[in-house]
Amino acid sequence: DTAVSQTPKYLVTQMGNDKSIKCEQNLGHDTMYWYKQDSKKFLKIMFSYNNKELIINETVPNRFSPKSPDKAHLNLHINSLELGDSAVYFCASSQVSRLLNTEAFFGQGTRLTVV
Amino acid sequence: AQKVTQAQTEISVVEKEDVTLDCVYETRDTTYYLFWYKQPPSGELVFLIRRNSFDEQNEISGRYSWNFQKSTSSFNFTITASQVVDSAVYFCALSESLTSGTYKYIFGTGTRLKVLA
Repeated sequence: DTAVSQTPKYLVTQMGNDKSIKCEQNLGHDTMYWYKQDSKKFLKIMFSYNNKELIINETVPNRFSPKSPDKAHLNLHINSLELGDSAVYFCASSQVSRLLNTEAFFGQGTRLTVV
Repeated sequence: AQKVTQAQTEISVVEKEDVTLDCVYETRDTTYYLFWYKQPPSGELVFLIRRNSFDEQNEISGRYSWNFQKSTSSFNFTITASQVVDSAVYFCALSESLTSGTYKYIFGTGTRLKVLA
């Protein structure tokens, strides 16, 4: 069973469109993340949710809106797509407590290409 | 501010050579975790190791070994007898504690390793 799954794996769309990427984890983790990897391979956190509550919202355009219907899901919706949004988007989850901090478990990534 | 530095952008070695990937970090936390991930050409992020800041023992796993030195804030990764399949981008990462009691993971810029046959 895939621990963290995100769909779609590839997404090609035109400028101005709205698109969503879905993410689900079956690990029972409390915390989920969205990371963006640019063309230089730099991985930067965008959002984090803990038990459906938004914890981290880095400097991301408000065209990007995460939604967590439950702690196993964290979806990413992007409005009015721009060329600069082209990147690989990774969903991840982890279990964090005062006594334990697991590694982040990553999905396979969604390669978004805006044309 | 928390920071992870991987000064080596790209390394090329010939198969069977040993290679060390450097990682230096900065953190204000007294308890923290360090990680290494591998990203092969296929693109997924593969977890390699997690190290707690209180555990300074070096670790060996097959051809992989890690040297954690708190005194120099370094967590270096060595591949012994490298193979072509080791060609990938390797990321060092650090957990940063947040006031919410959770963490976020800060990644270095990655080191691209090319192992030539």
